[in-house]
Amino acid sequence: GAGVSQTPSNKVTEKGKYVELRCDPISGHTALYWYRQSLGQGPEFLIYFQGTGAADDSGLPNDRFFAVRPEGSVSTLKIQRTERGDSAVYLCASSLDPTGELFFGEGSRLTVL
Amino acid sequence: AQKVTQAQTEISVVEKEDVTLDCVYETRDTTYYLFWYKQPPSGELVFLIRRNSFDEQNEISGRYSWNFQKSTSSFNFTITASQVVDSAVYFCALSEQPGYSTLTFGKGTMLLVSP
Repeated sequence: GAGVSQTPSNKVTEKGKYVELRCDPISGHTALYWYRQSLGQGPEFLIYFQGTGAADDSGLPNDRFFAVRPEGSVSTLKIQRTERGDSAVYLCASSLDPTGELFFGEGSRLTVL
Repeated sequence: AQKVTQAQTEISVVEKEDVTLDCVYETRDTTYYLFWYKQPPSGELVFLIRRNSFDEQNEISGRYSWNFQKSTSSFNFTITASQVVDSAVYFCALSEQPGYSTLTFGKGTMLLVSP
């Protein structure tokens, strides 16, 4: 498709497990962003990639969260030792360049039991 | 630190009514950018508007209009003649960067438009 694609759309896991969430941005978009949206809240910034490198990871809550974008396209958000508080919708967005409009995916809903 | 407040958690209207969604922001920067996004039930955020702090002109786009008032730090959004398809959660957001990367969002206002 032409939009930002995120997989899985839903993920249920147990406390302590490792989780990977994938984002496939719009083709040609150099900037990629991860946001987290908890129930009843607005999205919160996690990390921003320009190309392959993380230009700003100031929003990652702790060292259990890590994200990569090895070839400057697809990105994976990795969460180690998941906790119940990690339950949220993880939104990915991409833009043509850092000043461009963000296009969001439909999100990956993570539930940690 | 920057902050966005959307005091209205939920608004219910009947089709064809006009509705205004409030947004109040806080920032120490003199240059900043304000946004509105729509989040339908499918979950993706849809961009509606971006306004920079130097442009206080109100904007109209079809049934949508925005009122930016620096004196009250507000950036309100009005939908005229609302329709059922307008039902969604609407977010106001602020960025102190020219890009869109590190947006600070409000908690959102859920708008329910009934037939």
